[in-house]
Amino acid sequence: AQTVTQSQPEMSVQEAETVTLSCTYDTSENNYYLFWYKQPPSRQMILVIRQEAYKQQNATENRFSVNFQKAAKSFSLKISDSQLGDTAMYFCAFMKHDTGFQKLVFGTGTRLLVSP
Amino acid sequence: GAGVSQSPRYKVAKRGQDVALRCDPISGHVSLFWYQQALGQGPEFLTYFQNEAQLDKSGLPSDRFFAERPEGSVSTLKIQRTQQEDSAVYLCASSPRGLAGPYEQYFGPGTRLTVT
Repeated sequence: AQTVTQSQPEMSVQEAETVTLSCTYDTSENNYYLFWYKQPPSRQMILVIRQEAYKQQNATENRFSVNFQKAAKSFSLKISDSQLGDTAMYFCAFMKHDTGFQKLVFGTGTRLLVSP
Repeated sequence: GAGVSQSPRYKVAKRGQDVALRCDPISGHVSLFWYQQALGQGPEFLTYFQNEAQLDKSGLPSDRFFAERPEGSVSTLKIQRTQQEDSAVYLCASSPRGLAGPYEQYFGPGTRLTVT
């Protein structure tokens, strides 16, 4: 079974600064996908960024980038130029690469507060 | 187009009552997932539908939980004889494909169930 660990329950950052959220996972699979989801206080979860395990290049989406270390099973999220709208819960999630359906396995989340 | 919608958004039930939670996925989406999110936790997989077929229900916590998607679109999660431990947010997600791949899951706003 896969597990996802987020060791930072809460993080704070000031507007315009950079913050890194940590995530580690445990799996015996070689092919899989990793995701960061954002859940604002309204609770609708939205995808921030995803990474295919077979790709060595780290994924980037505008101000969001990841540091994917496959050997260490680490998948951290860096948010640059933090904005007030980035305040939310952030969940790291794992998905097996399978011929069947794909359920997400989530970590417990990191609450990020961006202050002015 | 419209996103995933869920109703009701909030539900208070007395212990022992039956409840039904509705999910309207994005039109045309093949895959539909139900997740349970306890307070302070990440979402946990409950069950998966590909069109009208329930392909996995391994995450349902007990036989009091039942889900259906009879016409391959709207889905209902039913909980019989609710218990306090059923209190959680129930999230529905849909995805456009049923095959393997990093297809994004689009989440609804959730139904917050409180059992008193």
